[in-house]
Amino acid sequence: GAVVSQHPSWVICKSGTSVKIECRSLDFQATTMFWYRQFPKQSLMLMATSNEGSKATYEQGVEKDKFLINHASLTLSTLTVTSAHPEDSSFYICSAIGGTEAFFGQGTRLTVV
Amino acid sequence: GENVEQHPSTLSVQEGDSAVIKCTYSDSASNYFPWYKQELGKRPQLIIDIRSNVGEKKDQRIAVTLNKTAKHFSLHITETQPEDSAVYFCAASQRQAGTALIFGKGTTLSVSS
Repeated sequence: GAVVSQHPSWVICKSGTSVKIECRSLDFQATTMFWYRQFPKQSLMLMATSNEGSKATYEQGVEKDKFLINHASLTLSTLTVTSAHPEDSSFYICSAIGGTEAFFGQGTRLTVV
Repeated sequence: GENVEQHPSTLSVQEGDSAVIKCTYSDSASNYFPWYKQELGKRPQLIIDIRSNVGEKKDQRIAVTLNKTAKHFSLHITETQPEDSAVYFCAASQRQAGTALIFGKGTTLSVSS
């Protein structure tokens, strides 16, 4: 099946710094990718829809200036967590639709200290 | 927007018993309903899906039923095994529109031997 690769798998950063997470579709083109956040023992919450060549669409309550999304090519979307705080610590996971199925990246465990 | 409710939040069964997880959705335009299995710290894995033109689908020990009128769908696992223990998520989306999957809150299934 299609492969979505996400990097890094885990990252620890200091409060106030920024972290960039990459999501790549390896064997298919994805005009749309989705970013989710998952807190421990909770569900995947949609943060934003990343559209190639245009602005991302953010879900209600998600700060667009804090979670910067760039979808510069048909195979790459990036999520940058700016000025990270401990409450941003979470599991971030991207998804892209290949054919008729949604494929997920491996996820990124972000810990802000 | 779409809202997906999932029950129960936890389910404990004995090996060999059946397990049933139920979900309801709110948006009548949703036409694609996948089920995912997620192990701790890993990406969700698609285990079965159903589209709105089908009422039931089965794959070995796993089956999904859909009632469009009532806007609910269910996952049935028969002859459960300890390796079935995981968190299961239902989701809904409008597949042709390329919209994001909206997830239920998840069910933690524990199968004891």
